[in-house]
Amino acid sequence: AQRVTQPEKLLSVFKGAPVELKCNYSYSGSPELFWYVQYSRQRLQLLLRHISRESIKGFTADLNKGETSFHLKKPFAQEEDSAMYYCALKAGGTSYGKLTFGQGTILTVHP
Amino acid sequence: KAGVTQTPRYLIKTRGQQVTLSCSPISGHRSVSWYQQTPGQGLQFLFEYFSETQRNKGNFPGRFSGRQFSNSRSEMNVSTLELGDSALYLCASSLGGLGVHEQYFGPGTRLTVT
Repeated sequence: AQRVTQPEKLLSVFKGAPVELKCNYSYSGSPELFWYVQYSRQRLQLLLRHISRESIKGFTADLNKGETSFHLKKPFAQEEDSAMYYCALKAGGTSYGKLTFGQGTILTVHP
Repeated sequence: KAGVTQTPRYLIKTRGQQVTLSCSPISGHRSVSWYQQTPGQGLQFLFEYFSETQRNKGNFPGRFSGRQFSNSRSEMNVSTLELGDSALYLCASSLGGLGVHEQYFGPGTRLTVT
């Protein structure tokens, strides 16, 4: 069975500082990894996925299969980045629409 | 394009009762997934439907069931409600065909069991 771990429940940084939200996973196959974000009073939405290797809102994430990690990074945090962030994994095979989520990290960016 | 809608948004039920939640996916999406969100367990996958067939199922008791209609709208049902079923129930829709498709989430239905 697959598992996603986000070790930090809360993360606080100041505006302009770098931020890294950690995500580790356990899965024996080749996973597909995602970061979802939930801003205050908004619905959960996709931030980025590892297969597209794109940068969204200045965030990037690299899949490290050796360390089984998919950390989310941004070099200069903004106040509008304050939100709940979830790392999610889709297993291969017949997982179809099933995502396994981590417990989430609440990011607060102080002015 | 209208987003995923869920009805009702809030629900209060008594232990032992049953409840039906509804999810309307984005037009053209054929897959609907359901998740339970609680402070203690986080987001947990319940099941996924594609073209009226359940394609995947999470580790929930048989009291939790679902179905999908020909227009891709989906319902989930919880019978014999327990206090621990109090949660935010989210549905997500996607195209659902081959490949990896983004899941678009609805606002959720907040269920309180008293």
